[in-house]
Amino acid sequence: DGGITQSPKYLFRKEGQNVTLSCEQNLNHDAMYWYRQDPGQGLRLIYYSQIVNDFQKGDIAEGYSVSREKKESFPLTVTSAQKNPTAFYLCASAPGQPPWEQFFGPGTRLTVL
Amino acid sequence: AQKVTQAQTEISVVEKEDVTLDCVYETRDTTYYLFWYKQPPSGELVFLIRRNSFDEQNEISGRYSWNFQKSTSSFNFTITASQVVDSAVYFCALSELGGGADGLTFGKGTHLIIQP
Repeated sequence: DGGITQSPKYLFRKEGQNVTLSCEQNLNHDAMYWYRQDPGQGLRLIYYSQIVNDFQKGDIAEGYSVSREKKESFPLTVTSAQKNPTAFYLCASAPGQPPWEQFFGPGTRLTVL
Repeated sequence: AQKVTQAQTEISVVEKEDVTLDCVYETRDTTYYLFWYKQPPSGELVFLIRRNSFDEQNEISGRYSWNFQKSTSSFNFTITASQVVDSAVYFCALSELGGGADGLTFGKGTHLIIQP
């Protein structure tokens, strides 16, 4: 089945540690996105990539890093510089053309202990 | 700059009641796309509908219907005869023709609670 997978579903991290969230898609989409969602809040864009080996910062990129070495993969690293990393992280992908409809993965819930 | 406003933070109704979720948007583009997504307790966002700015026809899909009015920049979502399974957070989103690759602009969401 075509879709987006994110792993792990739940992740616990100690303060000061970096952690990498996985996102894989087999929809052959050019664009991929990372969002952060806090309780009772909407989605905020962290990073996005429109093409392999290229990515741009979103609204809240500080403390995060990404790579896009393969079309189907867009991992997100939450670094120790991120002051408040506990949140729900959603990955999405979209075709590289209008109407830019995004398809979402199941999400990863990160908790910093 | 584009913006999506969902003024209703939370709505609670009794099962079988009709309920309307409001969405107001701002954009300078003449060509744009509007979306509704559903986020059940599991967390994954599920796509419900997409409309483009040139198609103002209302759409009905089973118990769901959408009312798009460019004159008021609104794209409201109505659930008829609500059911407990409709309980979720619903997000309205916007993309512009020129900048859609940069990501969707989401509203803050409306938490819909359907009580049995």
